[in-house]
Amino acid sequence: DTEVTQTPKHLVMGMTNKKSLKCEQHMGHRAMYWYKQKAKKPPELMFVYSYEKLSINESVPSRFSPECPNSSLLNLHLHALQPEDSALYLCASSQVLAGGGIQETQYFGPGTRLLVL
Amino acid sequence: AQKVTQAQTEISVVEKEDVTLDCVYETRDTTYYLFWYKQPPSGELVFLIRRNSFDEQNEISGRYSWNFQKSTSSFNFTITASQVVDSAVYFCALSGGYGQNFVFGPGTRLSVLP
Repeated sequence: DTEVTQTPKHLVMGMTNKKSLKCEQHMGHRAMYWYKQKAKKPPELMFVYSYEKLSINESVPSRFSPECPNSSLLNLHLHALQPEDSALYLCASSQVLAGGGIQETQYFGPGTRLLVL
Repeated sequence: AQKVTQAQTEISVVEKEDVTLDCVYETRDTTYYLFWYKQPPSGELVFLIRRNSFDEQNEISGRYSWNFQKSTSSFNFTITASQVVDSAVYFCALSGGYGQNFVFGPGTRLSVLP
């Protein structure tokens, strides 16, 4: 059983909608991540939070807005998305021992499949 | 810049065959970490192994084994006696030692036929 949960599993939204993706982990990890994965491609890192602070933003457009309300929760707020933003959005978490966590083992949630119409 | 290459895009084998998935990496960091993840059709990435750059010992876990060779910048993954449940996309990944980069390779799609 995964200890990283993501809701919703599927999301369909129009280009003018505002929606949020949610991620929760119960492993006591202090780093959390958002990835975007297009079909037949590897996941691409979007954001990293370490100790609830944004530590990496991989030049993601501002229509994606991350939020880390506490050490267990990670949100991704979506606004004015484009059809090309349709993808699988994966959340992950890891320990933070050194270097912000990104070299530690990341544990992934099942993802949210997003379709933008 | 860091880079991971998985030259095999797709591999098909018959059940019980052994199969090796190749991973070649590039980094200028002296400390780095290598990973293998499995992504079955359900979509969730499953962690398989993490190896740091100072540990070149090969690892065996059941039917899985890994061969890490710094001299050739490779971290290959072998599945012995493959099973249908091994069918998935396998990603090799690399993280620098200073917490600034994490990159996945393009993945290898493995199909194990009954």
